[in-house]
Amino acid sequence: SQQGEEDPQALSIQEGENATMNCSYKTSINNLQWYRQNSGRGLVHLILIRSNEREKHSGRLRVTLDTSKKSSSLLITASRAADTASYFCATPLTGGFKTIFGAGTRLFVKA
Amino acid sequence: DTEVTQTPKHLVMGMTNKKSLKCEQHMGHRAMYWYKQKAKKPPELMFVYSYEKLSINESVPSRFSPECPNSSLLNLHLHALQPEDSALYLCASHPTGGDTQYFGPGTRLTVL
Repeated sequence: SQQGEEDPQALSIQEGENATMNCSYKTSINNLQWYRQNSGRGLVHLILIRSNEREKHSGRLRVTLDTSKKSSSLLITASRAADTASYFCATPLTGGFKTIFGAGTRLFVKA
Repeated sequence: DTEVTQTPKHLVMGMTNKKSLKCEQHMGHRAMYWYKQKAKKPPELMFVYSYEKLSINESVPSRFSPECPNSSLLNLHLHALQPEDSALYLCASHPTGGDTQYFGPGTRLTVL
């Protein structure tokens, strides 16, 4: 079963607005990652936050992690039409090669 | 070279055909993965190779047969597939000690 759950499932916003998507997970983690997937393409790694970090920034991306609530959020500021994609959180299972992906949030940014 | 390549981009096959998907990376990554992804769903892990040895098989039907001929190349051999196997097949690689997976663009497979 999927460890990560994301909400919302889909999000439609206007260009220039901020987009926030949330992820919850079930077990202990060393880190949590966010990936982007453009329609029908491969996943692209966006950002990684470690379990001892609470917030991380990369350009227009801001990720938070709350290990007590087993949740993370991804904020995209000043969104652009090119941000239209699916966004997945991912949690590597400790001690192995498996990574559990959340269900994903489909973001649509209208120009 | 910092990319994972996959061929073909699209593949249409009948249920009696035999075909292969190919994945290549030249980043020196020693872990390579096959994922299956259905529309509007997250990727599902199928196989993991570590140092050219099969480490994980997620109870994938035997009509899918992975192969890792060398540290740069990963194949997925397909035989007697079913229409429900139609999906995007993603390859990924992972550096030793790293946390990030690098994905190829995928092969869109349609089984008729």
